[in-house]
Amino acid sequence: SQQGEEDPQALSIQEGENATMNCSYKTSINNLQWYRQNSGRGLVHLILIRSNEREKHSGRLRVTLDTSKKSSSLLITASRAADTASYFCATEETSGSRLTFGEGTQLTVNP
Amino acid sequence: DTAVSQTPKYLVTQMGNDKSIKCEQNLGHDTMYWYKQDSKKFLKIMFSYNNKELIINETVPNRFSPKSPDKAHLNLHINSLELGDSAVYFCASSQIIWGNYGYTFGSGTRLTVV
Repeated sequence: SQQGEEDPQALSIQEGENATMNCSYKTSINNLQWYRQNSGRGLVHLILIRSNEREKHSGRLRVTLDTSKKSSSLLITASRAADTASYFCATEETSGSRLTFGEGTQLTVNP
Repeated sequence: DTAVSQTPKYLVTQMGNDKSIKCEQNLGHDTMYWYKQDSKKFLKIMFSYNNKELIINETVPNRFSPKSPDKAHLNLHINSLELGDSAVYFCASSQIIWGNYGYTFGSGTRLTVV
């Protein structure tokens, strides 16, 4: 069954605003990762947070992980039109050597 | 210098045909994967190989056969194509099979079966 669920499915904001996307998962994990997919392109790895970490930053990205609630959030600050893309969370489970992806959030940043 | 390259980028073919998609990575990674993305953008793993050895074979029809001649290449052959096989197929690689590394994805092969 699908591991992750993302919320919201779609998000539309104005340039300069912050965007927050949430991800929930069901099983124990080694790590949780976020990927971006521009229309018609492959997925690009953004950030990885390990199961023993609670927060991680990379540039305008901030990721939190709450293993007790089995949830994560991705915050993009000061959004730009170029941030328009689909964002996926993915979990590497402790039981298997694979990434299982959530359903994705379509982010639209309006100039 | 493309890290993970897939060919072809687009593939349109008739039902019943056999086709192959090739994937190569120049990152020196040990592990390679095939993922399928459907029209709703749902990504599902199909296969993974670690150093040419099959590690994961999800519930995929046996019409799909991966082949890894060496750890830099993972090809996907599909026999007797069906309409439901239409999707975008992504190849990916990671440094090692377990461990906290991100995946590097190819740009995808859009397969359309008519």
